[in-house]
Amino acid sequence: QVQLEQSGSEVKRPGASVKVSCKASGYLFTSYAFSWVRQAPGQGLEWVGWVSSYSGNTYSAQRFQGRVTMTADPSTSTAYMELRALRSDDTAVYYCVRDRGDLFDHWGQGTLVSVSS
Amino acid sequence: SSELTQDPAVSVALGQTVRITCQGDSLRSYYANWYQQKPGQAPVLVLYGKNSRPSGIPDRFSGSGSGVTASLTITGAQAEDEADYYCGHRDSSDNHRVFGGGTKLTVL
Repeated sequence: QVQLEQSGSEVKRPGASVKVSCKASGYLFTSYAFSWVRQAPGQGLEWVGWVSSYSGNTYSAQRFQGRVTMTADPSTSTAYMELRALRSDDTAVYYCVRDRGDLFDHWGQGTLVSVSS
Repeated sequence: SSELTQDPAVSVALGQTVRITCQGDSLRSYYANWYQQKPGQAPVLVLYGKNSRPSGIPDRFSGSGSGVTASLTITGAQAEDEADYYCGHRDSSDNHRVFGGGTKLTVL
């Protein structure tokens, strides 16, 4: 069965960077892209961006452009999202999601990133 | 990018039927997908495309759409259906994804 296993919670200072990993199993890694979606406490879902597991191409929401890097490593079946210049309003649960292009059919368990001085 | 609008909260009596809606101009061209999120859990895909359910999703969940509005209907709502529901889809650029603001469903 498809599984997306994310790295553990992180606590960061403002201005720092965080890198979240997402190890996929149960399917051919390069067949699907990954999207990253975040959810601030008590808020709705916000799409961050996606990365192609096949080509490495990426696209991010405008508000994250220049601050986020997404990669996918077929050799380890792992996707990564790095967010830089963290601010307090980046505090959220970050989900990796298998992106079929038209829908998100499998979600990781989420990684809590807390940003606080 | 596209915008999708949902009612913030909806309630339904146990066993009754409830409709949760999602509005946006992009829905003239794209089907909405629906995600259910229970407290403390990751979202789960419950409906996609015109009216398709992933394996394991009960058939009391159904979808429809007309014009700028997409709907998720639960026929015979159960206590375990109490959750937040989000609509979402790929927008016209094909590179961008968008979510509605979410609807909190309360089963009374």
